This record gives sequence, C-alpha cells and structure tokens, in this order.
Amino acid sequence: GENVGLHLPTLSVQEGDNSIINCAYSNSASDYFIWYKQESGKGPQFIIDIRSNMDKRQGQRVTVLLNKTVKHLSLQIAATQPGDSAVYFCAEKEGGATNKLIFGTGTLLAVQP
Amino acid sequence: DAGITQSPRYKITETGRQVTLMCHQTWSHSYMFWYRQDLGHGLRLIYYSAAADITDKGEVPDGYVVSRSKTENFPLTLESATRSQTSVYFCASSEFGGRTNEKLFFGSGTQLSVL
Repeated sequence: GENVGLHLPTLSVQEGDNSIINCAYSNSASDYFIWYKQESGKGPQFIIDIRSNMDKRQGQRVTVLLNKTVKHLSLQIAATQPGDSAVYFCAEKEGGATNKLIFGTGTLLAVQP
Repeated sequence: DAGITQSPRYKITETGRQVTLMCHQTWSHSYMFWYRQDLGHGLRLIYYSAAADITDKGEVPDGYVVSRSKTENFPLTLESATRSQTSVYFCASSEFGGRTNEKLFFGSGTQLSVL
C-alpha cells in the first residue's frame, strides 16, 4: 500500500457521473486483488475481486481493471450515487502466501448531489 | 444471521491497563484476523489465526496477544495499553477452502482510546 501521509486522497464526483478510483500495488508476486468499501463508522465491505490471470472483471455497476505491467488496479463505478460515498480500499494477496491481504491507504469518494 | 460481531463498540482506557477486545463469528470460518486502522496507514494486520489453537503474527503484533480456543472466538488483548495503541480495531474472518477464498468479512470495529 501507499503511505499518503495524514490526508486521505479524495475523489469528488457529481451524482450520475462515472467514478474511477486508482490503486498502485507493490508486489509483483501478488495474484489476487480485492476492492473494499468502507462507510463511516462501519467495517470494510467486499465489492469485487479479480485474480491475476484476468485483466477485467465486471459486477453490478462496478468494474475492476488490472494492469500487471505497471502494477495498477482501478475500480470504476458507473452512474455514481450518493450511497457510493465512502472510503475505498484496494488489497493484494501474494501468491502462495497464507490468507493475508495487504491493504492500501484508501481513497475517499465524495458524491455531490 | 449474526455474522461477525465485535465488542465493545467503544472503549476508553488508561495507559498501562490490560484491555481485551472480543470477536465472535457464526459462520464457522477457519481464518480470523485482527487489523488496526489508522489514518495514513490503512488497515494493518496484527495477528491472524488459521484454525482453533493456531495463531500467527501479522505486520504489527508488538504489544498484543491473541488466543483461539474455539473456532468462533478470537479475542485480542492489549497487555499494557499505550497511547500509540489508540486506534480502530477490526476483526475479520474468511473461509479458506480448496478454491482459496480469500474474501474477508469484517466486523463493525472497536474504537479504542488510550489516555
């Protein structure tokens, strides 16, 4: 994950627009990636995952893209809604390791009505 | 469907005191985890457990103790709390099966303040 100091990166979007949240991961041996959503006062909630043998995976209104060449992961949210406002974390798991995930520092998505 | 529950929700304690945070899951998941969340650091793994009576250190284990006598419970103890342990603590669980499901399910967290 990235240490971005004391301030969380923030993405501000208008309701109805598409959102793209980016994540740079550190370990080229990572073979599994997850995006989590964390609303204020709650625990992280699973959104979507992707394995390293894929470069794109789609869910309901969300798409995850994986670029292993530059170790980059992105989460696309279509038609962003006020309920999408939250902190979004990416997480990576090293191939062959025990069931441990390494989390990024998160991005705050603020949806403007 | 209770899922994974943590208690207490909020805790204030003093430096040097022992504190235990509780975590209980109803899914019979094999793996359980404790993370702490601090601004600028994201979620950092403290300890994890692959099964009852099997525990291992994570990224930041110093000052913490865990036990797992039963599959469903995974308490985290701060033996002598310090101010640097002020944080939000999350417990999580996952089912580690043949197809390697690494998806974690998180509790609602315990906000701990050490004065």
